[in-house]
This record gives sequence, structure tokens and C-alpha cells, in this order.
Amino acid sequence: SQWGEENLQALSIQEGEDVTMNCSYKTYTTVVHWYRQDSGRGPALIILIRSNEREKRSGRLRATLDTSSQSSSLSITAAQCEDTAVYFCATDSGGSNAKLTFGKGTKLSVKS
Amino acid sequence: EAAVTQSPRSKVAVTGGKVTLSCHQTNNHDYMYWYRQDTGHGLRLIHYSYVADSTEKGDIPDGYKASRPSQENFSLILELASLSQTAVYFCASSDWGRRDTQYFGPGTRLLVL
Repeated sequence: SQWGEENLQALSIQEGEDVTMNCSYKTYTTVVHWYRQDSGRGPALIILIRSNEREKRSGRLRATLDTSSQSSSLSITAAQCEDTAVYFCATDSGGSNAKLTFGKGTKLSVKS
Repeated sequence: EAAVTQSPRSKVAVTGGKVTLSCHQTNNHDYMYWYRQDTGHGLRLIHYSYVADSTEKGDIPDGYKASRPSQENFSLILELASLSQTAVYFCASSDWGRRDTQYFGPGTRLLVL
């Protein structure tokens, strides 16, 4: 399997808290993608980080990538109820077809 | 924003029957993909295509065929549906120049009885 962490994880936090989701991967990748999936909808890309970046920010999102430990994290600052979703990381096989391999995801619930 | 539509949105099929899932994109994207998602799991790639009239096998192609008759349309075909193919199926597209960003459709929920 591509992934070290195989189970769908569930996190429940209060609105306003910070949260970090982690994933680890087994094979080489040049890019880690983070997707968000709302209930009943398809995934949507929220941030991606390349192997030459250690950190990437977008609004309240922060992604990190450690190629030496083959791990990535996604942090959300001051989470809001609308951040409730399943978050997936995905690695890119590289090459011309850009095949993605998805992890099983983290189900985040933000409660008011 | 990218627009990928899928039909039907849900379907009940019988074991051994033929099922065709359709995907249409209006983004003029070269790449199209079919994934399946099982409850509590991530997405797994079934087939993909980078040009009309050509398809490629993904990570789990067994039991599925794909067809790309035009740049806009990509179908997933289950010739002999089985219980194990009950899942949610997602289509996605991406542009050749921005292959690292895939745009997903809303999904088709398939139940095989």
C-alpha cells in the first residue's frame, strides 16, 4: 500500500480551535495534495505542496511536507463549523498522467 | 470554475447486469479519470484517459471497462455487475498543463443487489 496510516480517522473539535491532520506515505512523491470532501459531494483540492517546499499557506490552511520522513500535515487555524468535512491527502505518481493515490482520510467535525 | 457532471446520480443494479456510468466535462480538459470510493476509504483509480478514443488502466481496473468517445465524455462500464462493485464512483478531469489539479464530479452512488 502507498500509505502507512490505513484507517479513516475521526476528529471532533470546538469552533475556534486549531487542528492538525497528518498522513504518511511509503513511496516517493513530488507533490502532496490535500483535498476536502463535503458530505454528498466530490473532493475538491484545497492546497498542494511540492517536494521543494517545506511549508505552504493558504488563508487559514497550512500544509507541511517532510520528504525525509515521508509525511505531510494539514493544519487549520481557528476552525469554523463550515470546515466540517473529510480531508484526504494524495500523492502524485509524477510523469505525464498525474495519477493520484489517495489516503483514507480524516473526518473532521467542528462543533459550535 | 471547472464543471464535471455525472449521470445517473444514483443507480440500483442487479448482479450480472450491465451498468454504464457517464461523465461529461465542459472544461476542455485533456485528462479524465474514474475513481471508486468505498465507505470509510479514500478514492481508488479505476481507469483514466488523456485523449479521446484511448483509455488506460488505473490501479483497480478488473471488472471495469472505460470508453472515451470524445474529449468531453468518459464512460465507465460494468459488463457484469457484482455485489463488490457497490460503491460511489467519481469522475474527474484535469488540464494537460495543470495535471496536478483534478476537478471532481458529484459522484454516482451505485448499489448492486
